[in-house]
Amino acid sequence: AQTVTQSQPEMSVQEAETVTLSCTYDTSENNYYLFWYKQPPSRQMILVIRQEAYKQQNATENRFSVNFQKAAKSFSLKISDSQLGDTAMYFCAFMGVDSGGGADGLTFGKGTHLIIQP
Amino acid sequence: KAGVTQTPRYLIKTRGQQVTLSCSPISGHRSVSWYQQTPGQGLQFLFEYFSETQRNKGNFPGRFSGRQFSNSRSEMNVSTLELGDSALYLCASSLGQNEMNTEAFFGQGTRLTVV
Repeated sequence: AQTVTQSQPEMSVQEAETVTLSCTYDTSENNYYLFWYKQPPSRQMILVIRQEAYKQQNATENRFSVNFQKAAKSFSLKISDSQLGDTAMYFCAFMGVDSGGGADGLTFGKGTHLIIQP
Repeated sequence: KAGVTQTPRYLIKTRGQQVTLSCSPISGHRSVSWYQQTPGQGLQFLFEYFSETQRNKGNFPGRFSGRQFSNSRSEMNVSTLELGDSALYLCASSLGQNEMNTEAFFGQGTRLTVV
């Protein structure tokens, strides 16, 4: 079984600052995907960014980027030029891929509540 | 393109009753997964259906069951409700045909309160 750990229950930064959210995971699988999801007060889960474990290059989506360290089993999210609309719960998630190519369900961390202050 | 639709949005049930939640995936998506979100346990995977077959299952008691219809719509059933079943139940859909189609799109959830 895999576990996902987010060690920062809450973070607060000023608008326009850069913030990094931490995530570590534990797995014995070699083929997997990692995700960051955002859950604003509306409760709608929104995919922020995705990383395939077999890719060494870190994923980037506009102001969002990850630092994927496979050996250390670390997957942090960096948000640049933070905006008020970034205020939300952020969940790190793991998805294993079985030998048949089928994907398992998502295993989520406990989440980090990110608050962007004006 | 319409998103993932979950109905109802809110439910209040009494202990011992049963409940059925519904999820309509994005058109063309054949995989539907269900998750339970509580303040204490966080987000936990319940099960996944693909082409009307349960493909994966989380660690939940048999009181939690589901099914998927030929149009990919899915229902989740919880029997003999307990207070601890109070949670936000999230449904996610994806193309699900292989490992490359892993992006899951979530619905807004059904808030179940057991009293």
